[in-house]
Amino acid sequence: AQTVTQSQPEMSVQEAETVTLSCTYDTSESDYYLFWYKQPPSRQMILVIRQEAYKQQNATENRFSVNFQKAAKSFSLKISDSQLGDAAMYFCAYSRDDKIIFGKGTRLHILP
Amino acid sequence: DTAVSQTPKYLVTQMGNDKSIKCEQNLGHDTMYWYKQDSKKFLKIMFSYNNKELIINETVPNRFSPKSPDKAHLNLHINSLELGDSAVYFCATRGGVTLNTEAFFGQGTRLTVV
Repeated sequence: AQTVTQSQPEMSVQEAETVTLSCTYDTSESDYYLFWYKQPPSRQMILVIRQEAYKQQNATENRFSVNFQKAAKSFSLKISDSQLGDAAMYFCAYSRDDKIIFGKGTRLHILP
Repeated sequence: DTAVSQTPKYLVTQMGNDKSIKCEQNLGHDTMYWYKQDSKKFLKIMFSYNNKELIINETVPNRFSPKSPDKAHLNLHINSLELGDSAVYFCATRGGVTLNTEAFFGQGTRLTVV
């Protein structure tokens, strides 16, 4: 069965600094999709970034970028120029076919 | 106009009661899900429907019964509520033939069983 592991339950970063959240996953498939979701205190789940496994190029969305290492089954999220509004739970997710499987999340604190 | 709407947002009820949570989407997506988020924020898939047909049924007690009257709706009915059912329940939808799109989530329903 596929699993998603986020090894950092909590992290803190100074405002305007850069932080990297880790994610590893386990799968025997070669074609799948990976996502990072953000859940602020409002509880709403918000898509941050998406990566297709067949694409070698790392996805970027403004201040958010990923480091996708397919062989290592690693999918880390880098947040540059951290802002107070980035404070939230971040979930890494693996998807193939109908299933989307989430990691246990990393709570990110932004220090002013 | 909310894309994925859940009602109610909050639900407090006594043990042993039966309750329902409703989900409606206006995105025209074929796939709908129910997820449970526990107190430690862990999101676990419960059910998945595609075109009103049950596709995924994870190890969920049979007190939980999803019902999809049409493509735009997926409701969750829970019988004989227990303390351990207290959680936030999320409805989500997804479109696309190859399912390479992200899931869109409702705002969640916080269920508290007392």
